[in-house]
Amino acid sequence: AQSVTQLGSHVSVSEGALVLLRCNYSSSVPPYLFWYVQYPNQGLQLLLKYTSAATLVKGINGFEAEFKKSETSFHLTKPSAHMSDAAEYFCAVNKGGGYSTLTFGKGTMLLVSP
Amino acid sequence: DVKVTQSSRYLVKRTGEKVFLECVQDMDHENMFWYRQDPGLGLRLIYFSYDVKMKEKGDIPEGYSVSREKKERFSLILESASTNQTSMYLCAGGEGRTGELFFGEGSRLTVL
Repeated sequence: AQSVTQLGSHVSVSEGALVLLRCNYSSSVPPYLFWYVQYPNQGLQLLLKYTSAATLVKGINGFEAEFKKSETSFHLTKPSAHMSDAAEYFCAVNKGGGYSTLTFGKGTMLLVSP
Repeated sequence: DVKVTQSSRYLVKRTGEKVFLECVQDMDHENMFWYRQDPGLGLRLIYFSYDVKMKEKGDIPEGYSVSREKKERFSLILESASTNQTSMYLCAGGEGRTGELFFGEGSRLTVL
């Protein structure tokens, strides 16, 4: 079975500070990994994805994530937070193939203060 | 631009009513999914479908059913709504190889 753990239900940063949202996964096979963002009262929007190509993945809005197999991690980072980054972020894993489905973490709310 | 459209953004229903949540996708995806989202619990899979007239139970199917008569349309049905089904419901179309999902805007259901 696959699972995802997001460390911290809430993360607070100041505008301009580094953003680091943590995601660890478990999967019996090399996974596909995703980060989604959700703004209030909206659906989820894909930020970036790892599909077994480059381990450092760049996404939209200046976010990036690095796949580290040895640490089973896929942490999300952004060098400088902006007020508009305040949202909830979800990490998800899929082992791929056949009838597999995405498994989501419980989400991390990013709060950005001026 | 790919699109998943959920017919109702906000609904208020009474306990015992039958509720239909409609979802349409224009991506020609075989796979479609219904999730519910609750604070602190993240997204939980209710039902999914890999083909027309085909359905599979997710993690929390109790109290729900689905219908997929056409490839582009996937409906979630609450046969007899209860207050514990008050939630945000998210529909998604899915890419088969990686499992990437494309979400609709969500339907926020309140059951009184």
